[in-house]
Amino acid sequence: DADVTQTPRNRITKTGKRIMLECSQTKGHDRMYWYRQDPGLGLRLIYYSFDVKDINKGEISDGYSVSRQAQAKFSLSLESAIPNQTALYFCATSDWQGGSYEQYFGPGTRLTVT
Amino acid sequence: AQKVTQAQTEISVVEKEDVTLDCVYETRDTTYYLFWYKQPPSGELVFLIRRNSFDEQNEISGRYSWNFQKSTSSFNFTITASQVVDSAVYFCALSEATDRGSTLGRLYFGRGTQLTVWP
Repeated sequence: DADVTQTPRNRITKTGKRIMLECSQTKGHDRMYWYRQDPGLGLRLIYYSFDVKDINKGEISDGYSVSRQAQAKFSLSLESAIPNQTALYFCATSDWQGGSYEQYFGPGTRLTVT
Repeated sequence: AQKVTQAQTEISVVEKEDVTLDCVYETRDTTYYLFWYKQPPSGELVFLIRRNSFDEQNEISGRYSWNFQKSTSSFNFTITASQVVDSAVYFCALSEATDRGSTLGRLYFGRGTQLTVWP
């Protein structure tokens, strides 16, 4: 099984719709992240969470919200989707394990807002 | 200011040529990590290498090699004898490991370099 899974993998939605992207991890990491990738811009941080009770905004959080339902689950919501939120979204985890720094990315969710 | 700069937006080479992808980073931390990821057309991010700031030894893995130079804040990536399967977007990234309460673990990405290898 993959260490970090994202659902759905692809989604087409209409402007104004609410949509949730889900992320689950089996690594036992406390730290989880949501990034957005746009062509030519690299990946930019939307939100991050250092544990269930700790949620922080990244550089591009406007129009997004998140929920950390458990250590293993971190969901990203678009309350009212707009076309410029069309992008590839990645979930990631990181932590120190046994003295070594680890980081894992999910496979990505391709979102299209029409 | 960008913390990671990949000045080359696109590079095209012919198979078997060597190619170097440049990465320049900026940080005030003394402890940090540098990464390279490959993103093939399928979209997933493939981890290639992680290097911490205290290890300046160059590394070679098959046809891949990395040149880390703290003096110039660069972490360049060379593919020797390129192949068509190397065609992808390559990202360089920085993680500042100093725990200031909010930055540990997140990655700062460059904008990526699109590498196209022609047969």
